[in-house]
Amino acid sequence: AQSVTQPDIHITVSEGASLELRCNYSYGATPYLFWYVQSPGQGLQLLLKYFSGDTLVQGIKGFEAEFKRSQSSFNLRKPSVHWSDAAEYFCAVGLSGGYNKLIFGAGTRLAVHP
Amino acid sequence: EAGVAQSPRYKIIEKRQSVAFWCNPISGHATLYWYQQILGQGPKLLIQFQNNGVVDDSQLPKDRFSAERLKGVDSTLKIQPAKLEDSAVYLCASSLQGLEAFFGQGTRLTVV
Repeated sequence: AQSVTQPDIHITVSEGASLELRCNYSYGATPYLFWYVQSPGQGLQLLLKYFSGDTLVQGIKGFEAEFKRSQSSFNLRKPSVHWSDAAEYFCAVGLSGGYNKLIFGAGTRLAVHP
Repeated sequence: EAGVAQSPRYKIIEKRQSVAFWCNPISGHATLYWYQQILGQGPKLLIQFQNNGVVDDSQLPKDRFSAERLKGVDSTLKIQPAKLEDSAVYLCASSLQGLEAFFGQGTRLTVV
């Protein structure tokens, strides 16, 4: 069955430090991959997406992610975290074929220390 | 471009009562999703519409949940009767071609 795993439930970093959030997926074919961010009381906002082509994708707010087919991973990175990045981050897999289905991981909550 | 609109934002009901949520997707988006997000978990797909037809409702508790999308635009999700475990945020999302989804702010339901 298709699944998305985000191994880290909580991550705390200092402001200005680099960040990497992990995401692994299980799917027979190459999926469409997404990272969303959710601030408290808000809906989900798309940070970036990967459909095909260059495996390093750039997103909004200075985020980037790299698709590694051999590791079934799509990790999110940011070189320097800002206090406003504190939020919950969700990795999602879009299952192509027929009507595309979007499956989410459990999320990683990011805290940023001043 | 207007985003996905949901109402109400918050709802508190007693168990065994009924409740309905409304969603207006982005204009022109054929695909509409309803997700349930329990506190501390990722969103779980309840039902997916393509225009006004259901394409996936495999995780919808059909004995108490129902959803419709009349004329392929607005959608309503209903719970009747509600249980304590239905307390969650209900997110509506829409997509132009079934890929990148745009989310509303959600409805936070508390069942007491």
